[in-house]
Parts: sequence; C-alpha cells; structure tokens
Amino acid sequence: AIQMTQSPSSLSASVGDRVTITCRPSQGIRNDLGWFQQKPGKAPKLLIYAASSLQSGVPSTFSGSRSDTDFTLTISSLQSEDFATYYCLQYYNFPYTFGQGTKLEIK
Amino acid sequence: EVQLVQSGAEVKKPGESLKISCKGSGYSFTRFWITWVRQTPGKGLECMGIIDPGDSDTRYSPSFQGQATISVDKSISTAYLQWSTLKASDTAMYYCALMRGDFPAVWGQGSLVTVSS
Repeated sequence: AIQMTQSPSSLSASVGDRVTITCRPSQGIRNDLGWFQQKPGKAPKLLIYAASSLQSGVPSTFSGSRSDTDFTLTISSLQSEDFATYYCLQYYNFPYTFGQGTKLEIK
Repeated sequence: EVQLVQSGAEVKKPGESLKISCKGSGYSFTRFWITWVRQTPGKGLECMGIIDPGDSDTRYSPSFQGQATISVDKSISTAYLQWSTLKASDTAMYYCALMRGDFPAVWGQGSLVTVSS
C-alpha cells in the first residue's frame, strides 16, 4: 500500500495566519489526492480533490497544490472555524490510504 | 440533498455478530461506489473496502479482507458492514462515504462500535 507521510502532526496558529500542511506519498500518485477537514465528533469533510480542485461550498481561503513529490494544503487566512484536524488521502491506488493527520490548534 | 445516514451506536461483546447500515438518499444509489472507513485513535483513518451498489462488486483492503463483509441492498438504497465474530480490536468509529470518481465526497455521520466484555 502507498504510505502517506503527513506533516506536521500538530500546529499552533492564530486567527489570520497562513498555514501549510504537507503530504508526501511513498510513490507517484499523479494528482489523485484529496484533503479533508474533521472536527471533533464529526465526519471528515472533503475540501480539495485532484490535488488542487476546491470542493463546492468550501471557502476560497483553502487551496491545494503540488510541488514535485509533495502535496500541500494552504489556508491563506485562518478563521476560528478552521481549527480542526486535517487529513490527506491518496486515491491513485487501492487500498486508498490517508495521512496520519494534522491537528490545527489555536495559539 | 445527497445524504448518507448511518445506523446508531452499538455495544457488543466479543464473539457476537453485528451488521451496521448506511442509507443513501437524494441521488441514484447505484450511480456511485460506496466505501467504508474505520477510524481509531491508534491507526487513524483506514479504508476498509469499496462496493459498487449496481452489481455488488466489492474490493477489500488487504488489512480487512476476511475481517468484515461489505454488502448492499439496492432495493432500499442501503449499504452494510457486518462482522460474524467481533473482537475488541473492532472497537472504532465506522464511516460510509459516497465515492465521486475515486474519492469519498459525501460521508455518513458515523457509527460507533464498542466491543467489550
């Protein structure tokens, strides 16, 4: 199975900050990567698919990109409702595999 | 509105059987594959398998092959995840999700399964 290495595992930031989260797959996955947000007690919510396509209804402060082998989720200006845990998912190869998550906390 | 509604929390003893459900609404149920995802504090999110509701074609992650069974009843737009012999290690939150393309786009609210003697 493809391993997804996500970093950092946790992150403290303030409202208005710009933050980035990175995922590196153990092998090539084209652009078959999604980003999810999960709040406590809730199901994951799709934010980004195909590495950089914004899911309908998701604020434009969220963006996804790819640089060589690394995939990045950027939140350009943190809002209070963005404090949550974020996961990447590769769906290039079955079994689809998630990163270990990044917990974004208020500084 | 496209929606997946899962069955409620379950508390079971080791060795017991269990079947949890995921009912789709607001779309043509046979149009999209469905996946089941397990979440535990130790291993995070894991894709257990996927099923085509149209013909019940099913693929299991190697880690979950033989551990649980995924099925559907398309006549009632419902997918299932079942265990014949639960173990304590099956304690987890289980999510179903609708696969748009190859990624889980719409998720159920989750079903918490607790297995304890």
